[in-house]
Amino acid sequence: AQSVTQLGSHVSVSEGALVLLRCNYSSSVPPYLFWYVQYPNQGLQLLLKYTSAATLVKGINGFEAEFKKSETSFHLTKPSAHMSDAAEYFCAVSGSGNTGKLIFGQGTTLQVKP
Amino acid sequence: DAGITQSPRYKITETGRQVTLMCHQTWSHSYMFWYRQDLGHGLRLIYYSAAADITDKGEVPDGYVVSRSKTENFPLTLESATRSQTSVYFCASSPRGQGLHSGANVLTFGAGSRLTVL
Repeated sequence: AQSVTQLGSHVSVSEGALVLLRCNYSSSVPPYLFWYVQYPNQGLQLLLKYTSAATLVKGINGFEAEFKKSETSFHLTKPSAHMSDAAEYFCAVSGSGNTGKLIFGQGTTLQVKP
Repeated sequence: DAGITQSPRYKITETGRQVTLMCHQTWSHSYMFWYRQDLGHGLRLIYYSAAADITDKGEVPDGYVVSRSKTENFPLTLESATRSQTSVYFCASSPRGQGLHSGANVLTFGAGSRLTVL
């Protein structure tokens, strides 16, 4: 069975600092991995996804994530945080079989301080 | 309007009452999903559907009923609401994947329905 663990429910950075949000997965098959962002009172939006084509995946708004099979990780990074990046971020893994469903982590709230 | 819409956006009800949350998508996506979002739990899958008249349980289905008579609609019913069902509910849809990476479907989410059970 697949699962996702996000390390740190809250992360606080200063504007302009590096953003690092951690995600580790467990999967018995080669995984498809996703990062979604949720702004206050909104639904989730896709930031990026990994489908095995390249281990470094670039997404929207300057975010990227690197798939590391040996570490079973898919951490999300951004070189320089903006105030507008404050949101909740979810890592997800595609469930077993072609059911389309995603299994989400608990989420990490990113706070950006001026 | 194109997209995925949920209604109502906000609902307050009492314990024991029946509540139905509606979800409508305009893309004719095969897959539809209901998740609930709770602090500390992230998003947990309640039910999903692969096509009209095909539904299956997710991680937390107890107390919920779904139906899918039409591809575009996927209502979620709480037959007898309990306080533990106070949550934000998200509907999502995705197309049926094809080819090598058919399991990498992107889910598109609605704006959510915030339900409070008193």
